[in-house]
Amino acid sequence: GNSVTQMEGPVTLSEEAFLTINCTYTATGYPSLFWYVQYPGEGLQLLLKATKADDKGSNKGFEATYRKETTSFHLEKGSVQVSDSAVYFCALSDPFQKLVFGTGTRLLVSP
Amino acid sequence: NAGVTQTPKFQVLKTGQSMTLQCAQDMNHNSMYWYRQDPGMGLRLIYYSASEGTTDKGEVPNGYNVSRLNKREFSLRLESAAPSQTSVYFCASSEELGNNYGYTFGSGTRLTVV
Repeated sequence: GNSVTQMEGPVTLSEEAFLTINCTYTATGYPSLFWYVQYPGEGLQLLLKATKADDKGSNKGFEATYRKETTSFHLEKGSVQVSDSAVYFCALSDPFQKLVFGTGTRLLVSP
Repeated sequence: NAGVTQTPKFQVLKTGQSMTLQCAQDMNHNSMYWYRQDPGMGLRLIYYSASEGTTDKGEVPNGYNVSRLNKREFSLRLESAAPSQTSVYFCASSEELGNNYGYTFGSGTRLTVV
């Protein structure tokens, strides 16, 4: 079945550092891929998405590229801020199937 | 604002008590979901409703029941609460079961069972 694997956290960075959170997936079809963000005490919010191979999703300085050859959708940001501290979830969706979430990666950014 | 509304936001129950968590969406979505999130863990699907009139079990349905009251509302009931059900519960909705738009989540209900 479909699955998503994320890197273990927490990821601890200083402000303005470069961020990468790894996400790889296993899917039988051609899924859409998503990154969600959960700020402390809140629900999950859609951060970005990509619906086909080689698509790049971007939002709020975050980017992720749908790599079919490596089955990956790594999240990147060039310069993180303290306000980016949150839990990040990678997810995939096949047509007519429920969203499959990774286990989440906590990001801690210090001033 | 359009979105998913959950009530209550916080609740404390005694073991054995029952309660219903309410969820409503105003985006005309067909599919709705209930998840629980425990400390240090990801999301676990409890139940979902692919469309009005249907409900199905997720990964962790034991101890819960659901009702898809109409297209807007999807409630989660704990018949006899147990401490193991202490968690944060999230409701979500989507246009269809699998789609390119992802899910919209509510802000959660923080439930403590003592």
